[in-house]
Amino acid sequence: KAGVTQTPRYLIKTRGQQVTLSCSPISGHRSVSWYQQTPGQGLQFLFEYFSETQRNKGNFPGRFSGRQFSNSRSEMNVSTLELGDSALYLCASSLGLAGVSYEQYFGPGTRLTVT
Amino acid sequence: LAKTTQPISMDSYEGQEVNITCSHNNIATNDYITWYQQFPSQGPRFIIQGYKTKVTNEVASLFIPADRKSSTLSLPRVSLSDTAVYYCLVGDGGSGGGADGLTFGKGTHLIIQP
Repeated sequence: KAGVTQTPRYLIKTRGQQVTLSCSPISGHRSVSWYQQTPGQGLQFLFEYFSETQRNKGNFPGRFSGRQFSNSRSEMNVSTLELGDSALYLCASSLGLAGVSYEQYFGPGTRLTVT
Repeated sequence: LAKTTQPISMDSYEGQEVNITCSHNNIATNDYITWYQQFPSQGPRFIIQGYKTKVTNEVASLFIPADRKSSTLSLPRVSLSDTAVYYCLVGDGGSGGGADGLTFGKGTHLIIQP
């Protein structure tokens, strides 16, 4: 069974631009969660989608948004990029909602650098 | 507001048992406690999950006291390859509980020496 895949793996953008990251969950998994990881803040939860609906959201500004498609694939978008958005963005999938006893499987991440 | 608190770092030696404790005073009734392991430049990997008492699998044990306000991950006979960051995660059950959602702690950087 294929694992969680994320594209692209590396990305360099300029301040003010926007970016879209993609995540394909493990087949059969209906929940996709997104996390931002930086050396200073650690691993921070962005949002979780389940059956195309956002079920949980972390404390991030509205510039961070996401969506989930009917095949469970998910995208996250960051508009008006800031230098502080440089981070490793991780996607995780699970059979059900991640907080309710379901194990999350993480992808390799997308390394975003904002210059 | 952080939902979990763990030591920032720990050192141990090969062959020893390592116990990492996570504090989660505000754990909700329907929250599960999950531990993940992360190596540099990789996504976290699930280790173990529990709700109460004790859970054991082939790699670790998880001890949860009756009040569930803390939990302890126990790694038996560690090796150099166990050097990693360990995260304690408390989930709010997808109750739509607002901004907290799923929260990882800052993680514990475990260093195993020969």
